[in-house]
Amino acid sequence: EAGVAQSPRYKIIEKRQSVAFWCNPISGHATLYWYQQILGQGPKLLIQFQNNGVVDDSQLPKDRFSAERLKGVDSTLKIQPAKLEDSAVYLCASGHEQFFGPGTRLTVL
Amino acid sequence: QKEVEQNSGPLSVPEGAIASLNCTYSDRGSQSFFWYRQYSGKSPELIMFIYSNGDKEDGRFTAQLNKASQYVSLLIRDSQPSDSATYLCAVNTNAGKSTFGDGTTLTVKP
Repeated sequence: EAGVAQSPRYKIIEKRQSVAFWCNPISGHATLYWYQQILGQGPKLLIQFQNNGVVDDSQLPKDRFSAERLKGVDSTLKIQPAKLEDSAVYLCASGHEQFFGPGTRLTVL
Repeated sequence: QKEVEQNSGPLSVPEGAIASLNCTYSDRGSQSFFWYRQYSGKSPELIMFIYSNGDKEDGRFTAQLNKASQYVSLLIRDSQPSDSATYLCAVNTNAGKSTFGDGTTLTVKP
């Protein structure tokens, strides 16, 4: 069984630029999560989807972050414009037990 | 008060000993509880989950849940150097909202 796929694995951008991350969950998993993990901290939930509907986005900074899950499968997370404090690893997880992808390490200069 | 609290550590145990990792949570409506292991530079990987009060064993790992005390723990028996990692506790509410603690760093010394 294939795991959760994410791309890119690494991204370096300058502040005020935009960036997008992609996640392909495990086949058949209705639940998909996006997390932000800053070094030394636990993952912080940004948004949770159930199929293509949003279950929880209370911690998503909506002035700059957006996410969608068209057709209830793949998902994209976008940041526009990026700030220095957005430097972190962005993790995607799927399923109730939350199987994680490898993450995208974002550096904002 | 954080919603999910863990001692940051580091917790150091000798090889072969029992490592005990603790987690407390504030939301009494929490329904499911998860332990993840995260190696440096890697993403979290699920170790086990528990839903009911009591103990749940899986190999060298035992999860313990006490909902009245809002406390969940993970015991690792016969600790190995390869168990050295950060252990994350995650708590899901009945609505499915997931909250992670900041993790406890475990070092197992040969």
